[in-house]
Amino acid sequence: DAGVTQSPTHLIKTRGQQVTLRCSPISGHKSVSWYQQVLGQGPQFIFQYYEKEERGRGNFPDRFSARQFPNYSSELNVNALLLGDSALYLCASKGSNYGYTFGSGTRLTVV
Amino acid sequence: GQNIDQPTEMTATEGAIVQINCTYQTSGFNGLFWYQQHAGEAPTFLSYNVLDGLEEKGRFSSFLSRSKGYSYLLLKELQMKDSASYLCAVTHASGGSYIPTFGRGTSLIVHP
Repeated sequence: DAGVTQSPTHLIKTRGQQVTLRCSPISGHKSVSWYQQVLGQGPQFIFQYYEKEERGRGNFPDRFSARQFPNYSSELNVNALLLGDSALYLCASKGSNYGYTFGSGTRLTVV
Repeated sequence: GQNIDQPTEMTATEGAIVQINCTYQTSGFNGLFWYQQHAGEAPTFLSYNVLDGLEEKGRFSSFLSRSKGYSYLLLKELQMKDSASYLCAVTHASGGSYIPTFGRGTSLIVHP
């Protein structure tokens, strides 16, 4: 059984550009959450989606947006990239039990 | 909002026992997770507590006191591979869903 898959694994972008990160949850999981993790810190909550609806939004600017598709996969978009957006972006999926399973993340570097 | 506090770093000796504490303040509490994260890797699930008491799972145990806003993760018979960051996450109700909020993590260094 495949786990949570994220793409791409690494990405380098220039300030001001836009980026789209992708996540495929575990088969049967309907909930997807996005987190940003900078070095030395815990993951910071960005968005949670369930059945294509936004269920939660963290304290991030409007440059950050996300959506969930009918197959429960999800995209995170970040516009007008800043140097401070450089981080590991983690996707987590959740099924009917309580556990969240994380993907390996996308390492975004903004130069 | 949520406030989660855990020590930044701890060191311990191989074979020993270590306790990592986590204190929290939150509204709509709905459970507490512990995750392990090795450098450059994704967090992996260790434990979940929603009721007071101790949950034991092999070498790892987790304790919760909801009235005190306190949890700890106990690691026994430490191995070198236990060197990692340990993340405490508190789940709270938000907009009909439950959102885990993470602390900054405790970096555990196990030395011979």
